[in-house]
Amino acid sequence: DTAVSQTPKYLVTQMGNDKSIKCEQNLGHDTMYWYKQDSKKFLKIMFSYNNKELIINETVPNRFSPKSPDKAHLNLHINSLELGDSAVYFCASSQVASGGEYTDTQYFGPGTRLTVL
Amino acid sequence: GEDVEQSLFLSVREGDSSVINCTYTDSSSTYLYWYKQEPGAGLQLLTYIFSNMDMKQDQRLTVLLNKKDKHLSLRIADTQTGDSAIYFCAESSYNTDKLIFGTGTRLQVFP
Repeated sequence: DTAVSQTPKYLVTQMGNDKSIKCEQNLGHDTMYWYKQDSKKFLKIMFSYNNKELIINETVPNRFSPKSPDKAHLNLHINSLELGDSAVYFCASSQVASGGEYTDTQYFGPGTRLTVL
Repeated sequence: GEDVEQSLFLSVREGDSSVINCTYTDSSSTYLYWYKQEPGAGLQLLTYIFSNMDMKQDQRLTVLLNKKDKHLSLRIADTQTGDSAIYFCAESSYNTDKLIFGTGTRLQVFP
């Protein structure tokens, strides 16, 4: 009954390759996010999608392209991988408005550890 | 811009209380959160507090918010070895859906 799931859990690849990370949530939320956690454990938002539309794009290189086929899925495709892309990538989801109450509580997936060699 | 800061390390003896502190700069913060990250794991939401509240208690966890000083704390009563983890403070506002995270506090509990 995983609420937010990501695949794969680990991804090791060579510089220059293109890779994708998938995220799915079964919470019925309308907003999904990608965060990057660097080696110092610092977390920073990359993107958010609301009902399949891009809402936040935090000055991420255009080698990173999120895709939301439906509101339960938000995938992250990365082209021409670089050493500095090595990090843990977390997907999250939230329901921005519920019965008129704004909560924005975000629930996180288990993370995908990307290592670029 | 928005900034959230935490001390990096905290070490406590098992059974004692732990207090993890967080300061933030965004005066329009609406919700403030505490997340826990165990080694090799994802982020687990522990609790959150709305900005018009001063305190929230949930079993062993007590959150205190001083909105005037923009200071948030998480108190864990009767700290156990299983509480050893990194604790992240985060804030959000009506203006944006994004969470701004603190640097994380690594809590180590020793017997």
